[in-house]
Amino acid sequence: EDQVTQSPEALRLQEGESSSLNCSYTVSGLRGLFWYRQDPGKGPEFLFTLYSAGEEKEKERLKATLTKKESFLHITAPKPEDSATYLCAVQAPGNQFYFGTGTSLTVIP
Amino acid sequence: GAVVSQHPSRVICKSGTSVKIECRSLDFQATTMFWYRQFPKQSLMLMATSNEGSKATYEQGVEKDKFLINHASLTLSTLTVTSAHPEDSSFYICSALGLAENIQYFGAGTRLSVL
Repeated sequence: EDQVTQSPEALRLQEGESSSLNCSYTVSGLRGLFWYRQDPGKGPEFLFTLYSAGEEKEKERLKATLTKKESFLHITAPKPEDSATYLCAVQAPGNQFYFGTGTSLTVIP
Repeated sequence: GAVVSQHPSRVICKSGTSVKIECRSLDFQATTMFWYRQFPKQSLMLMATSNEGSKATYEQGVEKDKFLINHASLTLSTLTVTSAHPEDSSFYICSALGLAENIQYFGAGTRLSVL
């Protein structure tokens, strides 16, 4: 069964304390893996898409990487404004998207 | 990035009334739009997938007669919650899948409160 699992569920970091969020998946024929940021009461905001193992994308303090079984979202020297829920989604053949349950990140000043 | 506009952002209605939510892709054409429901502190729950010009495909357990979806053009999809009841109160979010890119862009969501 196609599945997406994110860990940890919640993460509290001190400002400047780097860490990584994990997204593991069991999807056959991955068409793409997507990272989104969601603030409370808002819709998800697109961050990255990765298509093949070994691919990396960067944006400011965020870097996403992809292997054949998982993706990591690395956050370098986070700031309080990086606090949000980060969602991972994978696309299977046939336009099916599977979302993880998200990691709630809190960055403490 | 691409912009998806969703309106209204918040609606409060009486039990038994119908509510229409609009989802527009402003700067790209979307052959496919998705409608999600999100409960507090939970992830997105896919309700239905709509393709322009054809009937929506509903997920198991979602009542198609209660949640009417129309995808009349490549830039507009609507979700109508018919005869809303308090248990329909939730956060509804739409997304649009671009023709050129294989990326879902999301609207800002609609908070529905049924009294």
